[in-house]
Amino acid sequence: NAGVTQTPKFQVLKTGQSMTLQCAQDMNHNSMYWYRQDPGMGLRLIYYSASEGTTDKGEVPNGYNVSRLNKREFSLRLESAAPSQTSVYFCASSEDSRGLVTSQYFGPGTRLLVL
Amino acid sequence: AQSVTQPDIHITVSEGASLELRCNYSYGATPYLFWYVQSPGQGLQLLLKYFSGDTLVQGIKGFEAEFKRSQSSFNLRKPSVHWSDAAEYFCAVRNAGNNRKLIWGLGTSLAVNP
Repeated sequence: NAGVTQTPKFQVLKTGQSMTLQCAQDMNHNSMYWYRQDPGMGLRLIYYSASEGTTDKGEVPNGYNVSRLNKREFSLRLESAAPSQTSVYFCASSEDSRGLVTSQYFGPGTRLLVL
Repeated sequence: AQSVTQPDIHITVSEGASLELRCNYSYGATPYLFWYVQSPGQGLQLLLKYFSGDTLVQGIKGFEAEFKRSQSSFNLRKPSVHWSDAAEYFCAVRNAGNNRKLIWGLGTSLAVNP
């Protein structure tokens, strides 16, 4: 049972390049999330998915797109990377009971540097 | 709007000393509260959670937290800190307007002196 896995662990991009961050969970959770973490700003929600086939914007969605490929996988795409997107990205999945999140489980993170 | 405040950005304690990390929330009804820990270079790990019932909840790694409705607080405590407890600690509350989301505090960084 691997929990939540993320790839890659590290990435360096040039401004304007694109990339996709991959996330998978093996806990059969319905809900999945993408956060970014920046110094002094805590965790900010980019997008989330309440179930397969649905996605919703979080606090800071601009410049990102997501795909809930199936129940296990939730990817985050940067179409044209900008230096402001330099951050640590965390994927999470949650147990939920009748639509109420009970606990979130996090992946190890992807450290992204945009030059 | 709901919010979570962690008043202490950074705390330093000596190994073996007791620890209390503060968390205050704003929400009228009974909140659903969480504490997470993030070790350097790692993801976040759930320490404990409070949904209802006994207001003193026990978590992993010897941590506990007490829900005090009158003070809108959910402080994290540990009687004797170990060097391996040095980490970032985050308090969170479930979003009442969207039950699938959490509202996060900005975190408290804990340093442990030998």
